Amino acid sequence: DAKTTQPPSMDCAEGRAANLPCNHSTISGNEYVYWYRQIHSQGPQYIIHGLKNNETNEMASLIITEDRKSSTLILPHATLRDTAVYYCIVRVVAGKLIFGQGTELSVKP
Amino acid sequence: DGGITQSPKYLFRKEGQNVTLSCEQNLNHDAMYWYRQDPGQGLRLIYYSQIVNDFQKGDIAEGYSVSREKKESFPLTVTSAQKNPTAFSLCASSSAGTSGLTGELFFGEGSRLTVL
Repeated sequence: DAKTTQPPSMDCAEGRAANLPCNHSTISGNEYVYWYRQIHSQGPQYIIHGLKNNETNEMASLIITEDRKSSTLILPHATLRDTAVYYCIVRVVAGKLIFGQGTELSVKP
Repeated sequence: DGGITQSPKYLFRKEGQNVTLSCEQNLNHDAMYWYRQDPGQGLRLIYYSQIVNDFQKGDIAEGYSVSREKKESFPLTVTSAQKNPTAFSLCASSSAGTSGLTGELFFGEGSRLTVL
């Protein structure tokens, strides 16, 4: 099963870009990379997903390396409300979802 | 509004008692999941179901049971064999793509279970 590795914590200054890395070196060719975030004691919220190409939506950008062994979630202008635990998830086609430990992002004024 | 509803939000159980957590979705999603989150840790999969009347064990299924008799419902029963004193359980659902599960996961707000 493909698994992910993320740094346990990161800080970011408000208004600056937050770049959250994820290593998924055992990812298979048909497995997607998903990013979710969880604000304390709430259900996780979907952010973005991708397979091979870089993706962008109103919340964030996802950069996937050409060999697909790692990816970076970019929050272009972090706000205090972006403080949360961010999970990088690799889907397995059989339906089993494997969460990483997540990165606790603290956005500071 | 469409979404996932979990109940109850808080539940206490005595040792030796079985309890059932409810999860209902009106998103017409095929797949449903139960996760548990222990303090300071990420989410771990308990059970998942891709279609009605079918489900599979996740990484931490011991002490739990599920059923999937209806598409919109995926209740989780915590049996007396589950020794974890406190658990935050999250239900989720997603649509299933033809090339595998490619739909976004929608999560409920969670149920916090405490053993007295």
